[in-house]
Amino acid sequence: DTTVKQNPRYKLARVGKPVNLICSQTMNHDTMYWYQKKPNQAPKLLLFYYDKILNREADTFEKFQSSRPNNSFCSLYIGSAGLEYSAMYLCASSSRQISNERLFFGHGTKLSVL
Amino acid sequence: SQWGEENLQALSIQEGEDVTMNCSYKTYTTVVQWYRQKSGKGPAQLILIRSNEREKRSGRLRATLDTSSQSSSLSITGTLATDTAVYFCATDASSGSWQLIFGSGTQLTVMP
Repeated sequence: DTTVKQNPRYKLARVGKPVNLICSQTMNHDTMYWYQKKPNQAPKLLLFYYDKILNREADTFEKFQSSRPNNSFCSLYIGSAGLEYSAMYLCASSSRQISNERLFFGHGTKLSVL
Repeated sequence: SQWGEENLQALSIQEGEDVTMNCSYKTYTTVVQWYRQKSGKGPAQLILIRSNEREKRSGRLRATLDTSSQSSSLSITGTLATDTAVYFCATDASSGSWQLIFGSGTQLTVMP
């Protein structure tokens, strides 16, 4: 069982439309991450929140937005989906206070853009 | 890229066999983690090995780290069909950073 939950499990989106993915964790972790995973490729870090501070990777800076309204929730927002956004999106969390190296992942949201 | 191998590797073995998966990394790191991702689930950490350790064991798992060659391996003894998964190695993007960077992984299929 995972205590990092992602919704929805599957998401179908049209090209040009916005997409919002949700993640929650119940472990009171201070850091939450979003990774993008495409078939036969490594999970790619998109961004992460440490507390309220957002860090975005340079090569995906303009493609993804995120918000963290409280410690437990984190969203990933795509303003205008393109075909290249089709992928599995993995949310993870960790605690710098307890075990900063270990990430706990959710099951992921599979996004299909048509 | 942080990692030497860019494409998913694939291994297929029979249940009961031992297997070793390798990965190499390009920049200095203080820790290497191994994760396993089963179908339909997110990755889960299996084992973590630090730069001052050459070997780490956990049940049927054994991880090694060679900082001089910047490589790590994960061995599984007496594999089971339930070990079928993708195995990733991962390390910090830079020493002390909070960004975990994954290698492309090994698809391990264990046939009963």
